[in-house]
Amino acid sequence: QQQVKQSPQSLIVQKGGIPIINCAYENTAFDYFPWYQQFPGKGPALLIAIRPDVSEKKEGRFTISFNKSAKQFSLHIMDSQPGDSATYFCAAKDGGATNKLIFGTGTLLAVQP
Amino acid sequence: DVKVTQSSRYLVKRTGEKVFLECVQDMDHENMFWYRQDPGLGLRLIYFSYDVKMKEKGDIPEGYSVSREKKERFSLILESASTNQTSMYLCASSSWIMNTEAFFGQGTRLTVV
Repeated sequence: QQQVKQSPQSLIVQKGGIPIINCAYENTAFDYFPWYQQFPGKGPALLIAIRPDVSEKKEGRFTISFNKSAKQFSLHIMDSQPGDSATYFCAAKDGGATNKLIFGTGTLLAVQP
Repeated sequence: DVKVTQSSRYLVKRTGEKVFLECVQDMDHENMFWYRQDPGLGLRLIYFSYDVKMKEKGDIPEGYSVSREKKERFSLILESASTNQTSMYLCASSSWIMNTEAFFGQGTRLTVV
């Protein structure tokens, strides 16, 4: 049972383009929505995160848009660079003390020079 | 900086062997997690622990067990390795007291032959 659905599975953009990765969730008890970035041979690392009381969050070139009523959130990468080529995972945290994260299936992003 | 260290980067084991994957974190985090990562399936939670000697099953616990005898160390055990357990295994830790993100190790690529 996939509680967090992520699309697309892969994405190719030109340098300077704006890739958009989408996620949808089902459980309204989720209270924290992070995005993780993973480079080959490395573990995932937190990129940016949002809580459901906010509709948008920006950190540098990365923006999360959050639509609570639709139970959807997305990652936008402005002015994408070849160094942004990585796998991106959205996630949702199960409300409670354990900080358990439910991950999407991942998006492999390639930014061509 | 938080450091989550997994004992091996690459491991090759034979079918039927008992396999131990070790993870150590240095930030006094209460929570520790084991995920497996497979292409197209994202990160799936195997087991997690929210305190010493405490453990809870994740989404795919079958064929695995865990041990947490000390706060900083969380071990994943494959009682009798099978070829369908060939995967990338990722350990993570977090703190609900300090409300931190999840920090990941670099992963162990396990091949069962």
